[in-house]
Amino acid sequence: SQKIEQNSEALNIQEGKTATLTCNYTNYSPAYLQWYRQDPGRGPVFLLLIRENEKEKRKERLKVTFDTTLKQSLFHITASQPADSATYLCALAGGGADGLTFGKGTHLIIQP
Amino acid sequence: GAVVSQHPSWVICKSGTSVKIECRSLDFQATTMFWYRQFPKQSLMLMATSNEGSKATYEQGVEKDKFLINHASLTLSTLTVTSAHPEDSSFYICSAREPRGGQGYEQYFGPGTRLTVT
Repeated sequence: SQKIEQNSEALNIQEGKTATLTCNYTNYSPAYLQWYRQDPGRGPVFLLLIRENEKEKRKERLKVTFDTTLKQSLFHITASQPADSATYLCALAGGGADGLTFGKGTHLIIQP
Repeated sequence: GAVVSQHPSWVICKSGTSVKIECRSLDFQATTMFWYRQFPKQSLMLMATSNEGSKATYEQGVEKDKFLINHASLTLSTLTVTSAHPEDSSFYICSAREPRGGQGYEQYFGPGTRLTVT
C-alpha cells in the first residue's frame, strides 16, 4: 500500500540555522508533491508544489527538492525563525482531480 | 492567494443528531472540492471528492450514507454527518482546487471544523 514517511515527530533547530525536513514515499508514483504548514487547530496552508520532472523549487527562504529515483523530497527553511515553528506536512497526488495523500507531518520547533 | 472558508468553526452535538458543515471558495470558482478528516496527532485522511453538479466520490471505508456531500454550486460544498456518534468526533477540513493550466493543482484548505459528539 502507499506509504508516506516524514523524518521525525519533532525537530528542534536553533534560530538562524537551516531546518531540513524529509519526506519519503513507497508504492507511489506521484505526478507532483506539495508541502504544507499546519498550526494547531488550523487547516493546512499551501507552501510549495514541485512536479515530477522538477529537481528543485525555491520560494523566499524555502527550498524543496524532489528525487523520484530515491522517492524522497527534502524541505529546507533557511535562516529559520521562531515564527517558523509549526507542523509541516508532505502531500502527494497522482495528478488530475486526485485528492492528496498526506504524511503525518514533522513538528518543527525553532528555538530562540 | 485563494481563500476557502468553513462554517461553523466548531460544533458540539448530541449522539444521533445530524450536523452540516459548509465549505466555500471565496474568490475563485472550484469545480472540485475535497473533504478530509484529521484525528489528534494523525495525518489528514481524504474522505471524498466533491464535484460540482455530480455525485461525490468516496474513499474506501467512508460510508456515503453517513457522510452526505452536496456540491450545488461552484463556490459551495456541504458535508452532513448524519446520525453522529462519538467516534465521528474529529477535525473536518475541506479544500478547493484552483487549476492553473499546466502548473499543477494547489489545494487551498479551509480553517477546519472541530466536531464533538457527546
